[in-house]
Amino acid sequence: GIQVEQSPPDLILQEGANSTLRCNFSDSVNNLQWFHQNPWGQLINLFYIPSGTKQNGRLSATTVATERYSLLYISSSQTTDSGVYFCAVSLTGTASKLTFGTGTRLQVTL
Amino acid sequence: DADVTQTPRNRITKTGKRIMLECSQTKGHDRMYWYRQDPGLGLRLIYYSFDVKDINKGEISDGYSVSRQAQAKFSLSLESAIPNQTALYFCATKDRGGDEQFFGPGTRLTVL
Repeated sequence: GIQVEQSPPDLILQEGANSTLRCNFSDSVNNLQWFHQNPWGQLINLFYIPSGTKQNGRLSATTVATERYSLLYISSSQTTDSGVYFCAVSLTGTASKLTFGTGTRLQVTL
Repeated sequence: DADVTQTPRNRITKTGKRIMLECSQTKGHDRMYWYRQDPGLGLRLIYYSFDVKDINKGEISDGYSVSRQAQAKFSLSLESAIPNQTALYFCATKDRGGDEQFFGPGTRLTVL
């Protein structure tokens, strides 16, 4: 099956800093989603981005499908950004079954 | 009100007990999914359903069964719970013509 690798596994930032999270995947995908799992366990949709670039406030994401990677940018980080960030992908013809990476755990400190 | 709800939110049970986790959605989506998350890992797919009559096994279906009672309801059962089924369980939905999956709040299950 498809492999999804995320880096770094852990990240500690001071409030106000910027960061880049990376997701590499091993096959061509027709769906790529970024999620934020908050400290209470809830999964929050951030982006649907199988290709191209999107921005939403302080967050933006870029997927280069031909090179099989996606990047999530967090600017001016806040303590509420803490949690785990997951990348998940699905292949064409697989009923949209998502395969998740193991996540990047982000801690934003004051 | 939440679009995807899961009950119960937390459950502690004993080895060998039968337990059912329920998922309901008001999004009108036809596709529904059950995933489990183990500590420090991403989610893995247990079962998925395209409609009431179409149910399919996912990556880790052994020890689980499901029922799609209606388009809006998808239940996951553990016939005889075991400790390594202790995990966080998520239900998700997707519209056939849509792009994204949307997740419920999760059920934290502990099997003693």
